[in-house]
Amino acid sequence: AQSVSQHNHHVILSEAASLELGCNYSYGGTVNLFWYVQYPGQHLQLLLKYFSGDPLVKGIKGFEAEFIKSKFSFNLRKPSVQWSDTAEYFCAVYYSGAGSYQLTFGKGTKLSVIP
Amino acid sequence: DTGVSQDPRHKITKRGQNVTFRCDPISEHNRLYWYRQTLGQGPEFLTYFQNEAQLEKSRLLSDRFSAERPKGSFSTLEIQRTEQGDSAMYLCASSLVVGATYEQYFGPGTRLTVT
Repeated sequence: AQSVSQHNHHVILSEAASLELGCNYSYGGTVNLFWYVQYPGQHLQLLLKYFSGDPLVKGIKGFEAEFIKSKFSFNLRKPSVQWSDTAEYFCAVYYSGAGSYQLTFGKGTKLSVIP
Repeated sequence: DTGVSQDPRHKITKRGQNVTFRCDPISEHNRLYWYRQTLGQGPEFLTYFQNEAQLEKSRLLSDRFSAERPKGSFSTLEIQRTEQGDSAMYLCASSLVVGATYEQYFGPGTRLTVT
């Protein structure tokens, strides 16, 4: 069965600190990877996506993620966080050609940024 | 494009009652998905539609759950004889699938509380 692991349940950072959130997926073939963000009181929003090509993808609000196939990882990064980045972050994957079109999500990482 | 909308946003019901939720996808999106999210977990796939056809159902979707998407537009998710374990956020997402890659856009969810 497909699975996604997010290593950190809750991360607390001060403003301007650098961020890296870990995400690993189970092997299953050709993957399509996503990071979603859920700000307090808001719905899930797509932060960035990887389908193919350059393994370093850039998303909105200064976020980026790197796909490392050999490590089955898709870690999210931001050089300098802001208080407004306080949110819950979800990594998700679906596998091309698997005959299933469901997204499999990790459990999420809650990020708290202290001003 | 007004995004994915869901109604109601909150529903409180007594155990044993039936409830129905509605989802309006982004217009012209051909796929519609239902997910369930409980506290501390990422969204979990329930079912999806390609136009009006329901093509995949998760084992999480017990016999008490039924979903429809008449005419390939809005969708409804009904839960019969609700149980306290059904308390969760029910999320709807839609996507426009043309090739092998696509992204899902989520609605605000319906929070169900079963007392």
